[in-house]
Amino acid sequence: DAKTTQPPSMDCAEGRAANLPCNHSTISGNEYVYWYRQIHSQGPQYIIHGLKNNETNEMASLIITEDRKSSTLILPHATLRDTAVYYCIVRFFTGGGNKLTFGTGTQLKVEL
Amino acid sequence: GAVVSQHPSRVICKSGTSVKIECRSLDFQATTMFWYRQFPKQSLMLMATSNEGSKATYEQGVEKDKFLINHASLTLSTLTVTSAHPEDSSFYICSARGPGDEKLFFGSGTQLSVL
Repeated sequence: DAKTTQPPSMDCAEGRAANLPCNHSTISGNEYVYWYRQIHSQGPQYIIHGLKNNETNEMASLIITEDRKSSTLILPHATLRDTAVYYCIVRFFTGGGNKLTFGTGTQLKVEL
Repeated sequence: GAVVSQHPSRVICKSGTSVKIECRSLDFQATTMFWYRQFPKQSLMLMATSNEGSKATYEQGVEKDKFLINHASLTLSTLTVTSAHPEDSSFYICSARGPGDEKLFFGSGTQLSVL
C-alpha cells in the first residue's frame, strides 16, 4: 500500500471547519483513499473513501487533487466530539484479504 | 453501518495465563477478519488476517503459537493470547470486511493488562 504523510496534530475551534491534509504521492491508479478516526480507547470508525472524485457523506467531505497525490478531509462544522486521531490510508479495493495499514495519523483537537 | 462486537472490553490476568478475545460480526457475514494491536500513543499494528475455515496469516514478527486465531464461522473470530506476559499488555482490536468489501468495520477493542 502507498505510504501517506499527515501532520501529527491540528487544532480547530468548535463550529469551524476542520481541514485535515494527507499526502500520498506514490498512490497508484487503482488505490483508494480511506479516512478513519479513532477516539481515545475505542476502535477506529470509518468516515469516507474515494478514488478520483470528491465525495461527501453525512460525516465529512473528501477532496482529492486531480493528480491524486494528496487529499483533504473536511469536517464542515467541528464539534468537541470530533476530537480524535484521524488516519488517512490508501489501499487497493479488490477481493481477498486486502488489509488496512495505519500510519501515525493526525491528532485533531477541537476546542471551545 | 455494519456492527462488529468485541468482547471483553477489558481484561486483567496473571502472568502465564491465557486470554481469549472474541470478535463477532452482528449483522453480516465476514469471511475475513483482521486483528490489530495498539500500544499507548502508537498507531494500530496489524497482527494477522483471519480467514473463515482456514489458517490465519500472520504478519512478520508475530508469533503464531502465542497468538492463536480461530475463525470457525462466518460471524466469529477469536484471538487467544497464550501464556500471557506483561509485555503482551496492549489494546487489541479486531475488524471485519463489510458487505461489498468496500469498508472495514472495527470492534471497540480489548484492553489487556497482564500482571
